[in-house]
Amino acid sequence: DTAVSQTPKYLVTQMGNDKSIKCEQNLGHDTMYWYKQDSKKFLKIMFSYNNKELIINETVPNRFSPKSPDKAHLNLHINSLELGDSAVYFCASSFSTLQGYTFGSGTRLTVV
Amino acid sequence: RKEVEQDPGPFNVPEGATVAFNCTYSNSASQSFFWYRQDCRKEPKLLMSVYSSGNEDGRFTAQLNRASQYISLLIRDSKLSDSATYLCVVNGHRGANNLFFGTGTRLTVIP
Repeated sequence: DTAVSQTPKYLVTQMGNDKSIKCEQNLGHDTMYWYKQDSKKFLKIMFSYNNKELIINETVPNRFSPKSPDKAHLNLHINSLELGDSAVYFCASSFSTLQGYTFGSGTRLTVV
Repeated sequence: RKEVEQDPGPFNVPEGATVAFNCTYSNSASQSFFWYRQDCRKEPKLLMSVYSSGNEDGRFTAQLNRASQYISLLIRDSKLSDSATYLCVVNGHRGANNLFFGTGTRLTVIP
């Protein structure tokens, strides 16, 4: 059983399109996150959700919106995609930062 | 100033060598520290937590120096399978559930 699963694994799309990435965790964790890893391999937090409540919202464009139907799911919607959005997006979950995170396998987004 | 800074490397070492990675963090209030490993085109995976007293897991030893805000990872008897990028990770000041990742140190173990 995959602990944190995200789909799709690869996403190639044109500028201006709207796309979604789904994430599900079966670990019973309280908090889920989205991270972006750019071409320089730097991992930067975008959002985190704790019990369906957004508790961190870093300075990302409002074209990005997280949506959590329940505590096992945190989806990422991206509107009006731009070339600079090309990156690997990782979903993660945790009980708390004292225990570290478990990551999904990543979604490689390419905007052309 | 970045929350976590590490030498990006690359470190190229022969099999059997001992190699050490260091990182520094900016927030003196940080309480959780980790080393993650990331293989090429894979997700980061937790390697070990770092405790104030230092901790060891097989060939891996992690140390924390709170006074200097410095974390280290020592790998003894390097194996080819240790080749990866090692990420230093620290919890942040903006909230309890927020981890900051360093840019990673790339290690290649050479036969």
